[in-house]
Amino acid sequence: DAGVIQSPRHEVTEMGQEVTLRCKPISGHNSLFWYRQTMMRGLELLIYFNNNVPIDDSGMPEDRFSAKMPNASFSTLKIQPSEPRDSAVYFCASTMTGIGGYTFGSGTRLTVV
Amino acid sequence: GIQVEQSPPDLILQEGANSTLRCNFSDSVNNLQWFHQNPWGQLINLFYIPSGTKQNGRLSATTVATERYSLLYISSSQTTDSGVYFCAVEYYNTDKLIFGTGTRLQVFP
Repeated sequence: DAGVIQSPRHEVTEMGQEVTLRCKPISGHNSLFWYRQTMMRGLELLIYFNNNVPIDDSGMPEDRFSAKMPNASFSTLKIQPSEPRDSAVYFCASTMTGIGGYTFGSGTRLTVV
Repeated sequence: GIQVEQSPPDLILQEGANSTLRCNFSDSVNNLQWFHQNPWGQLINLFYIPSGTKQNGRLSATTVATERYSLLYISSSQTTDSGVYFCAVEYYNTDKLIFGTGTRLQVFP
């Protein structure tokens, strides 16, 4: 298995632009998570899905952020409009609930200028 | 919400030394995981350990759920062990994995 695949690896965008981050979980995993990592706040859970259904989005910072999981093999995290304070590394992770550990993707480093 | 505290925050070792990292958590948890974030930013799952002891090469981990702590042991450390070690706990009866603030380890030759 290729693991959790995220794209792009790096994204530099101007303030106000829309940004879409993508994630392909490990085949067979039924839970998917989006995390954000910053120096100030560490690793924060933004939202997670179980069987493609959003279960808890209480970590989503504001309405500018949205996430979807249209099928078991694909999820997106969208920021519209982006702001400089959104600059961070965004990680996607997946797991089979109750079975074992989480597998993280390589992350997307987002810079908003 | 649940609090996850790790100690020490920073650790500097010479190659070959042993170390123990600690994770304390404030509430009942479904499971606990240890991760290593390497200098390139990749998060690698080391252990899935809700209770008991597991070993993988030079690394081992012990979780005492009733006393709400876990320990990660690194023996004969190598420079490739450098990075940040995170403990993460899953809230009881949820899938939410909450991370501690990490221990930054630097191993020098």
